[in-house]
Amino acid sequence: GIQVEQSPPDLILQEGANSTLRCNFSDSVNNLQWFHQNPWGQLINLFYIPSGTKQNGRLSATTVATERYSLLYISSSQTTDSGDYFCAVKMGFGNEKLTFGTGTRLTIIP
Amino acid sequence: GAVVSQHPSWVICKSGTSVKIECRSLDFQATTMFWYRQFPKQSLMLMATSNEGSKATYEQGVEKDKFLINHASLTLSTLTVTSAHPEDSSFYICSARDRGRGKDGYTFGSGTRLTVV
Repeated sequence: GIQVEQSPPDLILQEGANSTLRCNFSDSVNNLQWFHQNPWGQLINLFYIPSGTKQNGRLSATTVATERYSLLYISSSQTTDSGDYFCAVKMGFGNEKLTFGTGTRLTIIP
Repeated sequence: GAVVSQHPSWVICKSGTSVKIECRSLDFQATTMFWYRQFPKQSLMLMATSNEGSKATYEQGVEKDKFLINHASLTLSTLTVTSAHPEDSSFYICSARDRGRGKDGYTFGSGTRLTVV
């Protein structure tokens, strides 16, 4: 099946710093999403971004589908940004399951 | 927006007993639901895909006789962990596909933390 690797696995930053999270996938996809998992386990959808660039406040994401990677940018990090970040992808048509990446644990220090 | 309700939020059971977890789509019909398992500090691993009115499709390595999935209606799927053992302790998350929202129409439940003692 498709492999989805995220880097770095852990990231510790000072409050106010910028961060870049990467998601590499091994095959063509027609759906890519970024999620933040809060401390209680709830997954919060950040972006649906199979290609191109999107921005939402301090967060933005870029997917280069031809090169099979996506980036999530967090600017001016806040302590509330701490938590686990996952990308998830879906391959072609007729297959609806989302495969999650390995995850990045982000810790923002005050 | 689309809401998926998952119950219970947490459960503790004795080894050898069975536990049922419910996943309901509250404001949309979900012809397809997914069950994931997440161990501490790990990612979500898909266990099975369930389609309303048909048998679930299990991922490789997942015991279908141990993890019983029923999707009897368009708004309800259940996962029953049979004869639970301590190694089944994990965080279980369901997801429902809302085709009306297009390709990004995946809504997740809040998860169930299962502890088997």
